[in-house]
Amino acid sequence: DTEVTQTPKHLVMGMTNKKSLKCEQHMGHRAMYWYKQKAKKPPELMFVYSYEKLSINESVPSRFSPECPNSSLLNLHLHALQPEDSALYLCASSQESLNTEAFFGQGTRLTVV
Amino acid sequence: EDQVTQSPEALRLQEGESSSLNCSYTVSGLRGLFWYRQDPGKGPEFLFTLYSAGEEKEKERLKATLTKKESFLHITAPKPEDSATYLCAVPENRDDKIIFGKGTRLHILP
Repeated sequence: DTEVTQTPKHLVMGMTNKKSLKCEQHMGHRAMYWYKQKAKKPPELMFVYSYEKLSINESVPSRFSPECPNSSLLNLHLHALQPEDSALYLCASSQESLNTEAFFGQGTRLTVV
Repeated sequence: EDQVTQSPEALRLQEGESSSLNCSYTVSGLRGLFWYRQDPGKGPEFLFTLYSAGEEKEKERLKATLTKKESFLHITAPKPEDSATYLCAVPENRDDKIIFGKGTRLHILP
């Protein structure tokens, strides 16, 4: 099973809302990632968790707050977003680190109004 | 600076017309090269990992090859369902991150 599950699939939120994106994998992977992808662009790395600890934060604004409750779960908490934050948010996991292939979820299509 | 460049940006082929997509990289000490397929609005789907020059991997109509400076994704007798964006990615040398190319948008006409 190479499945990474993301919920919700679609999300529309106002600029004053607080929402969370969720990601789950049961492959025993120890590295998990959040990416942001705009239309016709490659995925951009936001955060990396390695063994449940945040190892990379790509200078992401504080209105995005990641959380890794355990080795199978990854959350992205959203607060006071801007319309330009509208994008496809992708979760991925890999066995150890980025030297091994990462498996992506189907993404959450986020629209900020 | 580590870089990954994919060409062409877009490619339109007739069904059955074979071709190749290119991914060139400047990362020294390559620690792997990954190919993904992405359909619109979906997450990238893992296709292949290549680790050393001369290595080849195949899956259905796709074959990936690797040299010291580039990788090719060969598509043989493509079908309309092969239409997608194909992404190439390599681990960066300095940090534990992946560099993605900008992708090749492939469109197979029936």
